[in-house]
Amino acid sequence: AQSVTQPDIHITVSEGASLELRCNYSYGATPYLFWYVQSPGQGLQLLLKYFSGDTLVQGIKGFEAEFKRSQSSFNLRKPSVHWSDAAEYFCAAPGPGANNLFFGTGTRLTVIP
Amino acid sequence: SAVISQKPSRDICQRGTSLTIQCQVDSQVTMMFWYRQQPGQSLTLIATANQGSEATYESGFVIDKFPISRPNLTFSTLTVSNMSPEDSSIYLCSVREEDYGYTFGSGTRLTVV
Repeated sequence: AQSVTQPDIHITVSEGASLELRCNYSYGATPYLFWYVQSPGQGLQLLLKYFSGDTLVQGIKGFEAEFKRSQSSFNLRKPSVHWSDAAEYFCAAPGPGANNLFFGTGTRLTVIP
Repeated sequence: SAVISQKPSRDICQRGTSLTIQCQVDSQVTMMFWYRQQPGQSLTLIATANQGSEATYESGFVIDKFPISRPNLTFSTLTVSNMSPEDSSIYLCSVREEDYGYTFGSGTRLTVV
């Protein structure tokens, strides 16, 4: 079965520091992978997605993610975090033969001044 | 990408009553999904609602509790019936577009008292 795992429930970083949020997947074929952000009281906004090709994907708001098949990972990165990045981040992927997205448990990002 | 208008954005309801949530999409889409996000949790799929067929419910969700309508390719409703405090959640609709993009509504924050 499709599984997307986000090992970190909560991460705290200082403003201006770099960020890496982890996502692991269990999937036989090359998956479609997504990162979404949910600000407090808001819906989900797509940051970036990976389908195929270049394994380093650029997204909005200065985020990027790298697909590493050998590690079954699709980690989200940002070189310098802004206070407005404080939010919940979800990694997601459709399951085999499924049309909908399955979501990881999410990582809550806190940014301190 | 598609733009989804979801209403209401929030509501406070009495237990035992029902609430109908609407999602209007600005383009025709075949696949539409309804998710529930319980407080502090990730998103869980309730059902898939494709136009012209009965909604398909995930394990743990039943039509009597969450009836869904999908009268055309741009609109769907989800009703939360006979509500209890355990139904307090954020409910989100989502569509999958031809380019495998998934767009989400802004969510309905439901509180049952």
